[in-house]
Amino acid sequence: EAQVTQNPRYLITVTGKKLTVTCSQNMNHEYMSWYRQDPGLGLRQIYYSMNVEVTDKGDVPEGYKVSRKEKRNFPLILESPSPNQTSLYFCASSLSIVWDSSNTQYFGPGTRLTVL
Amino acid sequence: GQNIDQPTEMTATEGAIVQINCTYQTSGFNGLFWYQQHAGEAPTFLSYNVLDGLEEKGRFSSFLSRSKGYSYLLLKELQMKDSASYLCAPSSGTYKYIFGTGTRLKVLA
Repeated sequence: EAQVTQNPRYLITVTGKKLTVTCSQNMNHEYMSWYRQDPGLGLRQIYYSMNVEVTDKGDVPEGYKVSRKEKRNFPLILESPSPNQTSLYFCASSLSIVWDSSNTQYFGPGTRLTVL
Repeated sequence: GQNIDQPTEMTATEGAIVQINCTYQTSGFNGLFWYQQHAGEAPTFLSYNVLDGLEEKGRFSSFLSRSKGYSYLLLKELQMKDSASYLCAPSSGTYKYIFGTGTRLKVLA
């Protein structure tokens, strides 16, 4: 089944304790992206990757890191989480970076993170 | 800069027709996506418009006017399962994605 998976789905942690949220897709997609979603603010892009070893900042990259060592995986790293990073996080992937309908994004199920 | 404007919330009755508007300003433009998101779930793709005009897909249609920076999503024969948020996402002309804050639609019996 074609899908984007994220782990964990739920996480409660404490300020300053490094964590990684994994994201994997099995569709051989080139483009991958991380978003956070907060009430009243909508979906905001954190980082994106156009291909292996190519990553760039979205609109809200502060406090996050990413890597793209393999095409299928795109982990999100919070080196020192803070309470303002409490949010719902989505990973997404799309076939290509060409701006047509093949750029439709497929989203993972989401990770609900709480930082105390 | 980029700006996307959608109504925050709309209410409609089962069986009715509802139009969700989206106005946008982007530094570049390639096309506009609409996504549906049920509460607590991931967004799912609904439509993509690149040319002016109406694209129909079953009960859902999407319209685009590039010159006016305007799009709408038209939902016909509303069903209870259409209660969800609808996200407008115009392309910025770069590889970044920008989403509107979404319109929460409530369908009443």
